[in-house]
Amino acid sequence: EDQVTQSPEALRLQEGESSSLNCSYTVSGLRGLFWYRQDPGKGPEFLFTLYSAGEEKEKERLKATLTKKESFLHITAPKPEDSATYLCAVQGLNQGGKLIFGQGTELSVKP
Amino acid sequence: GAVVSQHPSRVICKSGTSVKIECRSLDFQATTMFWYRQFPKQSLMLMATSNEGSKATYEQGVEKDKFLINHASLTLSTLTVTSAHPEDSSFYICSARPTGAGNTIYFGEGSWLTVV
Repeated sequence: EDQVTQSPEALRLQEGESSSLNCSYTVSGLRGLFWYRQDPGKGPEFLFTLYSAGEEKEKERLKATLTKKESFLHITAPKPEDSATYLCAVQGLNQGGKLIFGQGTELSVKP
Repeated sequence: GAVVSQHPSRVICKSGTSVKIECRSLDFQATTMFWYRQFPKQSLMLMATSNEGSKATYEQGVEKDKFLINHASLTLSTLTVTSAHPEDSSFYICSARPTGAGNTIYFGEGSWLTVV
């Protein structure tokens, strides 16, 4: 069964304090791993798609990496506006495109 | 960027009535759309996959007669919660995958349903 586990559940950082969020996954065949940002009461906002081990993608203060078992979302010098819940999801082969989500990491960045 | 619009964003209905939520892809066509449900402080739970012109595929444990899904065109899918009860109150989110344009899936803003 495809499964996604994110850690930590919650993370509190001071502005400028860099850190990483973890996403461990098991999937029979990986089509893609996705990172989304979700603000309270809103739908998820697409950040990155990673397809193969060793791949990296960056966007502003965020950098996503992928191995065969996990993905990391690195946040460099975060700002208060980066506060949100970050969701990781996997898309398996022959699954019709559906995403299996982890529980998310709630990030809070204090000024 | 790809935009998915949901309507209404908030709805309150009386117990026993039905309510319809629309999901539209505004700047792309989507053969496949997905409906999720999210409880407070929890992650997204996939309810069903809808494909344009065919019947939806429901996840295990989701009542297909209660949550009616119609995907009548390449830009519109609807979710109808029939005979709603207070336990159906939740945040419903749709998503869409652009036809022939990779695997990325874009989400709508979500719809808050409160059944009183």
